[in-house]
Amino acid sequence: AQTVTQSQPEMSVQEAETVTLSCTYDTSENNYYLFWYKQPPSRQMILVIRQEAYKQQNATENRFSVNFQKAAKSFSLKISDSQLGDTAMYFCALKSEGGSEKLVFGKGTKLTVNP
Amino acid sequence: KAGVTQTPRYLIKTRGQQVTLSCSPISGHRSVSWYQQTPGQGLQFLFEYFSETQRNKGNFPGRFSGRQFSNSRSEMNVSTLELGDSALYLCASSAGLANTQYFGPGTRLTVL
Repeated sequence: AQTVTQSQPEMSVQEAETVTLSCTYDTSENNYYLFWYKQPPSRQMILVIRQEAYKQQNATENRFSVNFQKAAKSFSLKISDSQLGDTAMYFCALKSEGGSEKLVFGKGTKLTVNP
Repeated sequence: KAGVTQTPRYLIKTRGQQVTLSCSPISGHRSVSWYQQTPGQGLQFLFEYFSETQRNKGNFPGRFSGRQFSNSRSEMNVSTLELGDSALYLCASSAGLANTQYFGPGTRLTVL
């Protein structure tokens, strides 16, 4: 069975600083996809960033970047220049390459950006 | 493009009743998945549909069912509601297996 673990239930960061959220996962598959989703208090789940396991290069989206360590099964999210609007729950998720759209989610990290 | 829409946004039911939730995917998306989100269990996969066929199902009792129509809109039904069914139900759509899922705003179900 696939599992995703987020070991930091809550984190806080000062505005304009950098923060890193941790995620580890377990899968027996060689090809898969990893995602970070953000869920602000409005409850709408929003995609932050996506990584294909076969790509060695770490994904980057503006202020968001990942550190993907396939051998260690680690997928951390770095948020640079944190903004108040980054305050949200962040979920790490894993999806197999084929056959199903099923996402396996971690329990989430509640991030608070302080002014 | 319009995003994933879910109706209703909020619902209050009593134990023993049944409920139907609706999800309209992004135009052109044929895959729809449903998730249940609770504080205790987190986000759990319910089922997914592609081209009107259920492709995968999570570990939920038979009281939870769903279907997909020819226009890719999907509904999920929960019969004989229990207090533990109180949750945020999220729907997600994607253009295919190699593509990202995009989520709707969710339906908040409260069972009294």
